[in-house]
Amino acid sequence: DQQVKQNSPSLSVQEGRISILNCDYTNSMFDYFLWYKKYPAEGPTFLISISSIKDKNEDGRFTVFLNKSAKHLSLHIVPSQPGDSAVYFCAASAPSGNDMRFGAGTRLTVKP
Amino acid sequence: EPEVTQTPSHQVTQMGQEVILRCVPISNHLYFYWYRQILGQKVEFLVSFYNNEISEKSEIFDDQFSVERPDGSNFTLKIRSTKLEDSAMYFCAVSPLQVGNSPLHFGNGTRLTVT
Repeated sequence: DQQVKQNSPSLSVQEGRISILNCDYTNSMFDYFLWYKKYPAEGPTFLISISSIKDKNEDGRFTVFLNKSAKHLSLHIVPSQPGDSAVYFCAASAPSGNDMRFGAGTRLTVKP
Repeated sequence: EPEVTQTPSHQVTQMGQEVILRCVPISNHLYFYWYRQILGQKVEFLVSFYNNEISEKSEIFDDQFSVERPDGSNFTLKIRSTKLEDSAMYFCAVSPLQVGNSPLHFGNGTRLTVT
């Protein structure tokens, strides 16, 4: 099941710079997209979401962009902080289903 | 404070044994889910539960798995006869609304180790 793909297993950025995490999906029925953040020994924590009627959603330092034609979404974190270091999961759901599909995650490391 | 409390945090069991993983939501939620994450892999959907019945399940959720809400508060995942490949983090998640309208809120997970 590769409906949601995060092709970069890891990303390292300098504190203060922008972090860009990418996610691709294959199921054109997906209409609700989310980013979760996960620290070791904890469950995923909801970060930000976007519905398919929008192409951008912003919440503080976090912005999610959705490109429906490319079936691509990205999460921008600016400025990046060391506390942002975690694994970030992209997730998506379709109106017809009652489940949420996750990507494999990208480990972000923000260096001081 | 997490929306969901999971117990135990770590469970070690021998192959072939039954395990029950528990989840207690803090506030009222209508939708319940179990996900698992095998070490280093993605978070995988197992099952969703609404109105006291399974609403959707994945191909992973075979006859060895079952879920229930025995007392209206606890939400449990039972694995009847564990296999080595069942070793994973199991996450319970809840939502006040159907998926697609609100995010899921996850517990901190139960690490299941099958030896």
